[in-house]
Amino acid sequence: GENVEQHPSTLSVQEGDSAVIKCTYSDSASNYFPWYKQELGKRPQLIIDIRSNVGEKKDQRIAVTLNKTAKHFSLHITETQPEDSAVYFCAASTNAGKSTFGDGTTLTVKP
Amino acid sequence: GAVVSQHPSWVICKSGTSVKIECRSLDFQATTMFWYRQFPKQSLMLMATSNEGSKATYEQGVEKDKFLINHASLTLSTLTVTSAHPEDSSFYICSARDLLTTKYNEQFFGPGTRLTVL
Repeated sequence: GENVEQHPSTLSVQEGDSAVIKCTYSDSASNYFPWYKQELGKRPQLIIDIRSNVGEKKDQRIAVTLNKTAKHFSLHITETQPEDSAVYFCAASTNAGKSTFGDGTTLTVKP
Repeated sequence: GAVVSQHPSWVICKSGTSVKIECRSLDFQATTMFWYRQFPKQSLMLMATSNEGSKATYEQGVEKDKFLINHASLTLSTLTVTSAHPEDSSFYICSARDLLTTKYNEQFFGPGTRLTVL
């Protein structure tokens, strides 16, 4: 089955700095890669996603890059703000819709 | 659009009792729903895939006789935790796929159910 590895497990940055979270996956059949932000006790919230036929996608301060050959994708958050503090999960999904999640990254943005 | 609800949002039960959790897609039809379990400070672990009108597909290590899943309609799936024990205490989250506007494989998550077994 699919295996998704996510690094780092914790990340602390100063407000205004950039944050980068990286994930690798193992199943070449995975073709959809969403990123979720989860606050304590809440549901995961989709913040950005990318399909396997696209190399990069950007939405304001958030961007995702995908290297299909190397089977890795990354989340980039620029100009971080304290409200960006949360746990972030990457996931890899196949056409069957079944998603495998990374272990999560706890991001802390210090004011 | 694409709203998923779960009920109850939290439940406390005694060891040995059964608990049913409902997952509903409110404004779309979902042929497939997924059930996840999330322990504190851990990731979401897929328990099973629920397909409308057919038996659920369970992930390795998940006891199908303990976690009963029923997906009787395109808008409702239920998870019943039978003979619950304290180790079943967790955050249970469902998600659903929208047939008509499948933005690739995007899933829409319910708000989750916090289960505490005493």
